[in-house]
Amino acid sequence: QKEVEQNSGPLSVPEGAIASLNCTYSDRGSQSFFWYRQYSGKSPELIMSIYSNGDKEDGRFTAQLNKASQYVSLLIRDSQPSDSATYLCAVYDTGNQFYFGTGTSLTVIP
Amino acid sequence: DVKVTQSSRYLVKRTGEKVFLECVQDMDHENMFWYRQDPGLGLRLIYFSYDVKMKEKGDIPEGYSVSREKKERFSLILESASTNQTSMYLCASRKGGVHEQYFGPGTRLTVT
Repeated sequence: QKEVEQNSGPLSVPEGAIASLNCTYSDRGSQSFFWYRQYSGKSPELIMSIYSNGDKEDGRFTAQLNKASQYVSLLIRDSQPSDSATYLCAVYDTGNQFYFGTGTSLTVIP
Repeated sequence: DVKVTQSSRYLVKRTGEKVFLECVQDMDHENMFWYRQDPGLGLRLIYFSYDVKMKEKGDIPEGYSVSREKKERFSLILESASTNQTSMYLCASRKGGVHEQYFGPGTRLTVT
C-alpha cells in the first residue's frame, strides 16, 4: 500500500465552480499535511499546510483534515483557469519522512 | 520568501559523463533534499542531508552521490550518467524542526 494515495484524475471543473481534491494516507500517526501546486514543467509550490483536524482556509483554498479517517482534502472555491495544474498531497509521517502522492491533474474550463 | 536555486534549468549530457547538479538556498535551512520526478512515478527521494557534511540515502540512491560542504549548498552527482537517469531533478530545503519543504525550480536532465 502506498503511503499517500490520490486520484490521478484528470479532474475537470467549469470556471467558478468548486474543485475538490482528495488524498488518503497510511500512517495513522502522521503529523503534518501539505498541498503543493505544480504547473506543467515547473516545480511544486507549497500552497497549504494543515496540522490539526478540521478546516483551514486561505483565500479561495480550504484544506480539510480528518485524522480518524486518514483523509485530507483541498477545496478550491471560485475555480479559475489559472488553477489548472497538478496538485500534490504530501504527508510528514511518524518516521520523520516526507511522502508525496502522485498528484491529481485539475483543469478549469473557461 | 524562501529562495532555492538550481544551477541549470535544462541540461543535456552524454552517457558516461559525470554530471553535477547544484542547489543553493538562502534561508539558512538545515535540511536539504534531492528528488527526481518521472511521469507516473511521482517524486522519489534520492538523497538528503540534515547538516553540513552529513548525508543520508533516500529511496533510490543507486548511481548518485551527494556533497554538502556548506550549509547553503547541496550538490547531486551522477558518477556516470545513463539514459535511465533522464528526468526532472528537484532540490528542496526545510528548516530544522519545521516540516514545510520548499522546492527549487528544477533541472530537466536529458542523457543521450
